Amino acid sequence: GDSVTQTEGLVTVTEGLPVKLNCTYQTTYLTIAFFWYVQYLNEAPQVLLKSSTDNKRTEHQGFHATLHKSSSSFHLQKSSAQLSDSALYYCALRNNYAQGLTFGLGTRVSVFP
Amino acid sequence: EAGVTQSPRYAVLQEGQAVSFWCDPISGHDTLYWYQQPRDQGPQLLVYFRDEAVIDNSQLPSDRFSAVRPKGTNSTLKIQSAKQGDTATYLCASSYNQAPLFGEGTRLSVL
Repeated sequence: GDSVTQTEGLVTVTEGLPVKLNCTYQTTYLTIAFFWYVQYLNEAPQVLLKSSTDNKRTEHQGFHATLHKSSSSFHLQKSSAQLSDSALYYCALRNNYAQGLTFGLGTRVSVFP
Repeated sequence: EAGVTQSPRYAVLQEGQAVSFWCDPISGHDTLYWYQQPRDQGPQLLVYFRDEAVIDNSQLPSDRFSAVRPKGTNSTLKIQSAKQGDTATYLCASSYNQAPLFGEGTRLSVL
């Protein structure tokens, strides 16, 4: 089956500095879509970014990610972290066979002043 | 547009008790998902429907869990005899050719 790996359980960053969250995946399917979800405390996960195009940068709310099929990665980055970015971030994929998403374990981001 | 609505928000049970979770998806969304999210873990798919049909329930513990969506709209997830290991947040999501949108979930504690 599919798998998604997020290597950092916790990322701490100072406000105004860049932040990068790693996401790699394994799948046997050729057609796949990728998502970053953000989950604030006691709230539901919300879609932050989505992409299915190789080597195309996707941006939303100051975050960006580029799907690289050659390295099986979809890392999330932001050039200047804000206090309000403190949350859980999940990378997820959906293959063309099934519509159920496969999520990574998540990365908690804590932004400090 | 109303979002995905779930009830109850919280449930506390003793082991062996039964519980049902209810989900009202976004109007027009044909696909409905149930996920289990243990504390400090990512959501894990239990079952999903397209209209009233079950598409994938391979991760649903069939001896104790059941899920229905009889009219292709609302859905109910039931745990027949809860165990402590079922303690988690149960998330419902819906979609129509887009990324699934999640409800706020039901937080279940099994004592």
